[in-house]
Amino acid sequence: SQTIHQWPATLVQPVGSPLSLECTVEGTSNPNLYWYRQAAGRGLQLLFYSVGIGQISSEVPQNLSASRPQDRQFILSSKKLLLSDSGFYLCAWSWGREDTQYFGPGTRLTVL
Amino acid sequence: KNQVEQSPQSLIILEGKICTLQCNYTVSPFSNLRWYKQDTGRGPVSLTIMTFSENTKSNGRYTATLDADTKQSSLHITASQLSDSASYICVVRENTGNQFYFGTGTSLTVIP
Repeated sequence: SQTIHQWPATLVQPVGSPLSLECTVEGTSNPNLYWYRQAAGRGLQLLFYSVGIGQISSEVPQNLSASRPQDRQFILSSKKLLLSDSGFYLCAWSWGREDTQYFGPGTRLTVL
Repeated sequence: KNQVEQSPQSLIILEGKICTLQCNYTVSPFSNLRWYKQDTGRGPVSLTIMTFSENTKSNGRYTATLDADTKQSSLHITASQLSDSASYICVVRENTGNQFYFGTGTSLTVIP
């Protein structure tokens, strides 16, 4: 069976500090991978998606970046965090043309 | 502009009662509509998915309906339980590319 992992679960970072969130998927190959942000009281906002190693599409301009160094690894990064980067970050995967997205447990990021 | 709107924003119901959540969308061309349940601090989990030709689909006590002509969907929860307390998110997929459009969710609280 497939599983998706995210870490850390919670993170408190000062403004201007760097960020690295990691997401890994087990039990499947060549998944589509997604990073979403969910601000308090808001819907999920798609940040990045990837259909393969090294292939990253950005949905919104921001100070975040994403990388996919391995088939089942998706990393969300920032060089300098902003207060507005606070939120709940969710990684998800899907396979091929199948529409079901399977979400990870999420990372709660608080920027102070 | 492709949008997904959900109502009500929040809802409180008594245990054992029925509730109905609404989702209106303008996404076109339409591919499918999915309802997710998101427990607090967790990632969303898929409940149902419906394509253009499907009017209703059930998953236990959850029944989703779709009217593709009016671009409306409802999620009915019968015999509500305390564990139904969560946010319910409507997601519509566009028929071109890899775009998913998320509603902001309805926060449901079931009280004894």
